[in-house]
Amino acid sequence: SQQGEEDPQALSIQEGENATMNCSYKTSINNLQWYRQNSGRGLVHLILIRSNEREKHSGRLRVTLDTSKKSSSLLITASRAADTASYFCATDGGANNLFFGTGTRLTVIP
Amino acid sequence: GAGVSQTPSNKVTEKGKYVELRCDPISGHTALYWYRQSLGQGPEFLIYFQGTGAADDSGLPNDRFFAVRPEGSVSTLKIQRTERGDSAVYLCASSPTSGRYNEQFFGPGTRLTVL
Repeated sequence: SQQGEEDPQALSIQEGENATMNCSYKTSINNLQWYRQNSGRGLVHLILIRSNEREKHSGRLRVTLDTSKKSSSLLITASRAADTASYFCATDGGANNLFFGTGTRLTVIP
Repeated sequence: GAGVSQTPSNKVTEKGKYVELRCDPISGHTALYWYRQSLGQGPEFLIYFQGTGAADDSGLPNDRFFAVRPEGSVSTLKIQRTERGDSAVYLCASSPTSGRYNEQFFGPGTRLTVL
């Protein structure tokens, strides 16, 4: 079974707006990662946050992690049409492989 | 440099047939992973290799699924007596080591359709 759950399942915004996606997970982790998947293409790693970190930035991306609530959020600022994709959170669950959520489908309208 | 490559990109087969899916990881990456992604779902872990050995095969759904990595580089996922429920995109990923803070680099996947 998959460990992560993203919320919302789908999100539609206008270009230039910010997009926030949330992820909840079930067990203790060493790290949490966010991946993007464009239609018909492979997964691309966006950002990794360690369990002892609370916030991390990368360009227009901001990730937060709250291990007490077992949750994370991904914020994309000043969205672009090219950001349209599915976004997945993935946790290690203490193992070497990743456990993915069901994803948030983001649509950015030009 | 070259990323993870997978062949074929698409495979259509009939129920009961045997299929092999190939993964070429990034050169020098010792860790290799196979995942399966069904429509509308996130990837699900199948098996993880560290070098030539399968370090964790707990995600393989049953004994019809088998994977090898004989020389510690290319890996082949083998599915015997395919069933319609095996239809999915099979993703391969590699990482430099098996360290828990390493990102995984994914290939484009092989879309398997079992008729």
